[in-house]
Amino acid sequence: AQRVTQPEKLLSVFKGAPVELKCNYSYSGSPELFWYVQYSRQRLQLLLRHISRESIKGFTADLNKGETSFHLKKPFAQEEDSAMYYCALRRSGATNKLIFGTGTLLAVQP
Amino acid sequence: GAGVSQSPSNKVTEKGKDVELRCDPISGHTALYWYRQSLGQGLEFLIYFQGNSAPDKSGLPSDRFSAERTGGSVSTLTIQRTQQEDSAVYLCASSLGQGGFEKLFFGSGTQLSVL
Repeated sequence: AQRVTQPEKLLSVFKGAPVELKCNYSYSGSPELFWYVQYSRQRLQLLLRHISRESIKGFTADLNKGETSFHLKKPFAQEEDSAMYYCALRRSGATNKLIFGTGTLLAVQP
Repeated sequence: GAGVSQSPSNKVTEKGKDVELRCDPISGHTALYWYRQSLGQGLEFLIYFQGNSAPDKSGLPSDRFSAERTGGSVSTLTIQRTQQEDSAVYLCASSLGQGGFEKLFFGSGTQLSVL
């Protein structure tokens, strides 16, 4: 079965510090990985997907199939990055049903 | 607005009562998903509807949970004989349903509290 693991429930950093939100997955096939974000009092929304290989709001994430990881990184955290971040997996070629991790709350201190 | 709409936004009920949660997807979206968001559990998949196909119910936690989608649009999630562990935010999402990757658009959720 597919599984997404986010080991940190809370990550607290200071403004300007680097950020890495960890995500590991288990899936025997070739997955598609995503990061979704929920800012305070806003709806859950897509941040980025691994296939796009893009940087959104300064965040990047690289799929490492050897380590089955998809960690989210940003070199310099901003206070407005404070939010709940969810890593999600979609089986390639399947429906758009996503399997989510338990989420990591990122708190960027001034 | 043109987003996914959920009602009610908050629901407080007594243990043992039945509740119905409603989701209006974005117009034209044929795929609809229900998730449950709770502390420590993250986002749990509940059920997925795609057009006229049989729904994927693999995430429903017990037979007290059911959902239907009428006319391919509005969906209702019903929880019978609610228990305290059912307390959570229930999120609905929709997507185009045309195949391949599609971004999910989420509603603002229904906060369910079972006393």
